[in-house]
Amino acid sequence: EAGVVQSPRYKIIEKKQPVAFWCNPISGHNTLYWYRQNLGQGPELLIRYENEEAVDDSQLPKDRFSAERLKGVDSTLKIQPAELGDSAVYLCASSKRTVNTEAFFGQGTRLTVV
Amino acid sequence: AQKITQTQPGMFVQEKEAVTLDCTYDTSDQSYGLFWYKQPSSGEMIFLIYQGSYDEQNATEGRYSLNFQKARKSANLVISASQLGDSAMYFCAMRRERGSNYKLTFGKGTLLTVNP
Repeated sequence: EAGVVQSPRYKIIEKKQPVAFWCNPISGHNTLYWYRQNLGQGPELLIRYENEEAVDDSQLPKDRFSAERLKGVDSTLKIQPAELGDSAVYLCASSKRTVNTEAFFGQGTRLTVV
Repeated sequence: AQKITQTQPGMFVQEKEAVTLDCTYDTSDQSYGLFWYKQPSSGEMIFLIYQGSYDEQNATEGRYSLNFQKARKSANLVISASQLGDSAMYFCAMRRERGSNYKLTFGKGTLLTVNP
């Protein structure tokens, strides 16, 4: 079974430019998470989807960040315009919406804004 | 609101010895799950072990065990017989498991270094 797939693995952009990250979750997983992880810190939730519905986006900076999960499968996270402080690793995870099941993570996208 | 606290920024252990990584949590929920993940320097998050709030026995997975003390709201990870490959960041996480709310919240992590 394929795991969570994210692309790209690395991205370097200049500030004020747009950037997009893509995530393909594990087949059959209803729940999809986007996390941001700053260096030396734990992952912080940006947005959580249950199928195609964003059920928790309270920590998503909506002035510059947007996300979508069309058809309840793949998801895209976009930043426009990027700022220096957005440099971080962006992690996507998915899980079944049942108890006693772990979330599986992709390898992340390391974003550097210069 | 959920909160996870990991008070040990870094820990050192000798190879083949056991080590305990601390985790305390705060929640008003009755039904929740506790997770430990390992993140090596390569960056991937690897699931290690899960404990449900209603599980009466402590979870074990190979060399990993979770010392769950519900009244103290602690969920410490015990790694027995440490190996050099255990050197990594370790994150404790909690997920509400009630209704449709499955928010997964992480602590700040503990960096474990295993010395030869």
